[in-house]
Amino acid sequence: DGGITQSPKYLFRKEGQNVTLSCEQNLNHDAMYWYRQDPGQGLRLIYYSQIVNDFQKGDIAEGYSVSREKKESFPLTVTSAQKNPTAFYLCASTEGAGDTEAFFGQGTRLTVV
Amino acid sequence: GQSLEQPSEVTAVEGAIVQINCTYQTSGFYGLSWYQQHDGGAPTFLSYNALDGLEETGRFSSFLSRSDSYGYLLLQELQMKDSASYFCAVRGSAQGDYKLSFGAGTTVTVRA
Repeated sequence: DGGITQSPKYLFRKEGQNVTLSCEQNLNHDAMYWYRQDPGQGLRLIYYSQIVNDFQKGDIAEGYSVSREKKESFPLTVTSAQKNPTAFYLCASTEGAGDTEAFFGQGTRLTVV
Repeated sequence: GQSLEQPSEVTAVEGAIVQINCTYQTSGFYGLSWYQQHDGGAPTFLSYNALDGLEETGRFSSFLSRSDSYGYLLLQELQMKDSASYFCAVRGSAQGDYKLSFGAGTTVTVRA
């Protein structure tokens, strides 16, 4: 079945450590996105990528980094510079950069202690 | 950039009709989308309006007025399973700005 896989579902890290969240899609979609969701709040865009080897900052990119070396993969690294990293992280993809129907992974809930 | 506004929460009884409004500001515009998210789950796509007017998909309908930068999602014959958060979303169309931005979400609570 085609879809987006995020792993792991729950992740715990100590403060000051970098952590990488995985996002893989087999939909052959060109565009991929990372969002952060805090309790009771909407989705805030961290980074997005329209094509392989290209990505742009979203609205809250500080403290995060990404890479897009393969079409199917868009990992997100939460660095120690991110002041408040505990949140629910969602990865999404669209067929093209101009498409509006996004497919989401099941999310990774990151807790930093 | 883009910004979207929608009410934070709505409560209604089973069988009722709920309308969730969304106003937006965007540089360039591909259309207005709606997503549903159950607690702890992933958002799922509901509908998309590229042109003015009403789009109907079963019990859910979505409306867009581009001149008013306004749209709404209409949930009819509410069921308990419709209790969820609903987000409107827009995509920029300006060169180099293809962000897919979401509103803060409207929590719909359906009561028996």
